[in-house]
Amino acid sequence: EVQLVESGGGLVQPGGSLRLSCAASGFTFSNYWMHWVRQAPGKGLVWVSHINSDGSSTNYADSVKGRFTISRDNAKNTLYLQMNSLRAEDTAVYYCARGIYYNGLDPWGQGTLVAVSS
Amino acid sequence: QSALTQPASVSGSPGQSVTISCTGTSSDVGGYNYVSWYQQHPGKAPKLMIYEVSNRPSGVSNRFSGSKSGNTASLTISGLQAEDEADYYCSSYTSSSSNVFGTGTKVTVL
Repeated sequence: EVQLVESGGGLVQPGGSLRLSCAASGFTFSNYWMHWVRQAPGKGLVWVSHINSDGSSTNYADSVKGRFTISRDNAKNTLYLQMNSLRAEDTAVYYCARGIYYNGLDPWGQGTLVAVSS
Repeated sequence: QSALTQPASVSGSPGQSVTISCTGTSSDVGGYNYVSWYQQHPGKAPKLMIYEVSNRPSGVSNRFSGSKSGNTASLTISGLQAEDEADYYCSSYTSSSSNVFGTGTKVTVL
């Protein structure tokens, strides 16, 4: 079964840092692009970042550029999101998702909640 | 990158059809045949329903169909069922080599 499991969320103060992980199983992780998408409480989906299959190319939403870093360890079948200089507006459930076809995301993990508050 | 525009809500009775629009620009929806649609039930992760404008992944009901004209993509749900009540989001590849989601549409089955 193809599965993605996020971890690493929690409560952090403004200006703090957090690293999210996404453990993949049931497919050849190194063959796929991977994405992070977030959803603030009661709000819509927002694309955050993607990384290509070998980790050599990344892209970010303007709202997180320069603060967040996406990376992957294909030997460990794990995707990461390093989040620095966190702001209240970064509060959201963060989902990881596998990229398929050209812009399809499937499947998605269950999400991990990041709350930025003093 | 601004979010794609979707109606906040649509509704229909069981058995009817509803259509959700997704309007972007020539830099996203209109420029590429890379539009996808997602269904999200409350408290759950999104699920891919349509990719590349009109293709259904294995296991998705053929009551769901997608299309595109110019800068606007559409998702049609035919034979509306109670289980279709959910939020729906479109997404498009963009000229910045990124992705952008729509504002989301709540589908209510009357």
